[in-house]
Amino acid sequence: EPEVTQTPSHQVTQMGQEVILRCVPISNHLYFYWYRQILGQKVEFLVSFYNNEISEKSEIFDDQFSVERPDGSNFTLKIRSTKLEDSAMYFCASSELGTGGTEAFFGQGTRLTVV
Amino acid sequence: TQLLEQSPQFLSIQEGENLTVYCNSSSVFSSLQWYRQEPGEGPVLLVTVVTGGEVKKLKRLTFQFGDARKDSSLHITAAQPGDTGLYLCAGERRGAQKLVFGQGTRLTINP
Repeated sequence: EPEVTQTPSHQVTQMGQEVILRCVPISNHLYFYWYRQILGQKVEFLVSFYNNEISEKSEIFDDQFSVERPDGSNFTLKIRSTKLEDSAMYFCASSELGTGGTEAFFGQGTRLTVV
Repeated sequence: TQLLEQSPQFLSIQEGENLTVYCNSSSVFSSLQWYRQEPGEGPVLLVTVVTGGEVKKLKRLTFQFGDARKDSSLHITAAQPGDTGLYLCAGERRGAQKLVFGQGTRLTINP
């Protein structure tokens, strides 16, 4: 069964450092997303990406965040200068289409710990 | 702000009992998805409902989308210890390329 894969599973970084989280979405999917989940809290939307550009982003997704699809398979989330409050599980998701009941499939997540 | 409120937040029952988890909002959603999440893992999709009044069954799980598409419920019949986990509802509004998640219901089924 096709799945969304994320690497690394766990990343520890020092405050102020840049991190890149990587995702390989399901191959025939056209929409890609990043969500995050701070420990004990809700899953929160960060950004959606379609046709090589951001289609929607939340207020969490400020200038410190960026996304890229550097090749035909990878989808990355970069945090330029990490803060302690960026510590969270980051989930990549993909869907075949956008709205209208199209199912989003999530990866296993990357646990980011900023120290 | 589109909020999805799940209730109860915690539920602990005995094996064999029935239960219902609710997901409510004041907003209309074009679809609602139910996920199950295990600790340290990503949400796993259980079902998507798109039509007001729609009922979907997945073995012992029954999902319903409210007529006005503002609420949904998950009913489990004869709960088993393997049903233990965090259940999340997530709504999608027409034209919005994102899911809004509820805070989850942590379900524990005791043998």
